[in-house]
Amino acid sequence: SQELEQSPQSLIVQEGKNLTINCTSSKTLYGLYWYKQKYGEGLIFLMMLQKGGEEKSHEKITAKLDEKKQQSSLHITASQPSHAGIYLCGADFPGGGNKLTFGTGTQLKVEL
Amino acid sequence: GAVVSQHPSWVICKSGTSVKIECRSLDFQATTMFWYRQFPKQSLMLMATSNEGSKATYEQGVEKDKFLINHASLTLSTLTVTSAHPEDSSFYICSARVLLAGGQENPDIQYFGAGTRLSVL
Repeated sequence: SQELEQSPQSLIVQEGKNLTINCTSSKTLYGLYWYKQKYGEGLIFLMMLQKGGEEKSHEKITAKLDEKKQQSSLHITASQPSHAGIYLCGADFPGGGNKLTFGTGTQLKVEL
Repeated sequence: GAVVSQHPSWVICKSGTSVKIECRSLDFQATTMFWYRQFPKQSLMLMATSNEGSKATYEQGVEKDKFLINHASLTLSTLTVTSAHPEDSSFYICSARVLLAGGQENPDIQYFGAGTRLSVL
């Protein structure tokens, strides 16, 4: 079974709209990482959350980690075409040796 | 952020030949690098953890003799797909672990290369 589930699998929004992507773990994690990928390219690091209840923002993207450290959300405000891509959450689990387990990914399209 | 260079970005080879993919950390030393495989429209699957100066640790189900990993220096890890077959065609991505302050209070961040698309004919 997948340890990390992302929802939705795909998302189409109009430019200027807000959106949220969720990442749920089946067990408590050590660190939660958000990456963005353009199809056929590498991953770009966005943010890392470690503490329960932590929230970080960068430009129009905000990521949160719940108190139990099993669920994270990525929120984009006033989406732009440049936000389009695949968003992946990755988790570092205790005892995992810094290996990252990735979620199923969310494909975001932003329409003009 | 830290820069990880992966080469080549795209390779086409004949069935039965071997292909080498390089992963370099350009502005930092990486004692640990990771190799992932990604199928179309799917997430990343960890293949192996590459440690400088020691043997790689492979994930369950990954053939060690098929995917040879060498981490000869603190800035270079290579993945060689031996006797490649069409089913090995995929997108391979490496990452390098950047050590922060270290310890449990500061988990490390993995920075990724741009990936290599392998097509085996």
